[in-house]
Amino acid sequence: AQKVTQAQTEISVVEKEDVTLDCVYETRDTTYYLFWYKQPPSGELVFLIRRNSFDEQNEISGRYSWNFQKSTSSFNFTITASQVVDSAVYFCALSEAWTGNQFYFGTGTSLTVIP
Amino acid sequence: EPEVTQTPSHQVTQMGQEVILRCVPISNHLYFYWYRQILGQKVEFLVSFYNNEISEKSEIFDDQFSVERPDGSNFTLKIRSTKLEDSAMYFCASSPRDSYNEQFFGPGTRLTVL
Repeated sequence: AQKVTQAQTEISVVEKEDVTLDCVYETRDTTYYLFWYKQPPSGELVFLIRRNSFDEQNEISGRYSWNFQKSTSSFNFTITASQVVDSAVYFCALSEAWTGNQFYFGTGTSLTVIP
Repeated sequence: EPEVTQTPSHQVTQMGQEVILRCVPISNHLYFYWYRQILGQKVEFLVSFYNNEISEKSEIFDDQFSVERPDGSNFTLKIRSTKLEDSAMYFCASSPRDSYNEQFFGPGTRLTVL
C-alpha cells in the first residue's frame, strides 16, 4: 500500500493563478513528520517544509501555504499567484518514528506554469 | 550555510562495472542515507547508516550494494556490478543528532549504465 499518495500527476496553470497540490498519507504511527520538496528541472531536491504530527497549525510562507488535516490524513500545498519559476515536480514525503527514519515519497506532481 | 555535497554529478559506466558514488554529509550530522530516483519516478529509500553500521535498508539494497564511511567526512555507495536498471539519480542525505527526521539532501549523482 502506498504510504503517500499524490493523485495529481501533472497540473498546468496560467501564471498568476493559484494552484493546490494534494497529498494524502497513511500511517499507524502517532508520531510522524510530513515534508514537501521541490525538484526543478536541474534535478536537486529543495526542502520546502517539515511538519510534525502534533502541529496541525497551517503555515504560510510568502506565496506558499500548507494545510495539514489529520482528520483526512492530508497535507496539501497551495501556491498563490503562481510564477513560471514554480514549474517543477513537487514531492510530498512521510517519515514515521516507529519505522526508523526513512522517508516515504509520493510519486510527485509535475507543475507547469504557463506564462 | 552547510550543505551535503555529492560527486560526481554525472557518472557513466558500462554494465558490469563497479561504481562508487561519493557524498560528504554536513559535518556535525550523525545519520546518513542513500535514496534512488529512476527517471520520472518517485524517490525511493535505499539505506540508512548510523554509528558506522547500516540501521535500515530497503529491498532494493541487495548484495550488489554496499555503503561505507571510510573516514570522518565521506559516505560512499558502491554498486559492485552495475546493471542497466541501476541507471538513476542517487541522492545522499544526512540528519543531525537531535532531529533524525530532518534530512538534508545533496544535489544528486546521475548514474547512467550503458
